[in-house]
Amino acid sequence: DGGITQSPKYLFRKEGQNVTLSCEQNLNHDAMYWYRQDPGQGLRLIYYSQIVNDFQKGDIAEGYSVSREKKESFPLTVTSAQKNPTAFYLCASQRTSYGYTFGSGTRLTVV
Amino acid sequence: GNSVTQMEGPVTLSEEAFLTINCTYTATGYPSLFWYVQYPGEGLQLLLKATKADDKGSNKGFEATYRKETTSFHLEKGSVQVSDSAVYFCALSVMEYGNKLVFGAGTILRVKS
Repeated sequence: DGGITQSPKYLFRKEGQNVTLSCEQNLNHDAMYWYRQDPGQGLRLIYYSQIVNDFQKGDIAEGYSVSREKKESFPLTVTSAQKNPTAFYLCASQRTSYGYTFGSGTRLTVV
Repeated sequence: GNSVTQMEGPVTLSEEAFLTINCTYTATGYPSLFWYVQYPGEGLQLLLKATKADDKGSNKGFEATYRKETTSFHLEKGSVQVSDSAVYFCALSVMEYGNKLVFGAGTILRVKS
């Protein structure tokens, strides 16, 4: 079955540490997105990519970085510059002009 | 610009009650409209969508009609169940905006037995 896989489901980060969240899709979708969700809040766009080897900043890109070397993969790195990284991170992919398919999310906690 | 406004929650209903969650939008261009549902600890799932005026999206007993004249896409269900308890997000996409989804803030629905 086609889908979008995020890993790990839970991730713990120490202060000053970079961590990378994985997002893989086998839907052959061109566009991929990363969102952050805080408790009781809506979704905020971090980065998006509409084609391999190209990506754009969303509304809250500071302290995050991404790469898009393959169509299937769009990893998100949360750097030490992100001062408040504890949140639920959602990855999504999209076929042109259709809605998104979401992964099941990664919950990141700073310890 | 493009934006979505949803009614604030939480919405608390008894089982078998009628549900309405209001959603209105502003858009540059002709948007497609979506409702997504998020169960606790999970990602979002597409519930229904409509791509042109007067279209009705429906799924699992939920319905929403694309009303261009009132720029609305209200979600309705005739008889809710406890299992419908979740967060519901209204969203739009516009080709001129690269088809990126613009989400509302989400509405928490709690259904009591």
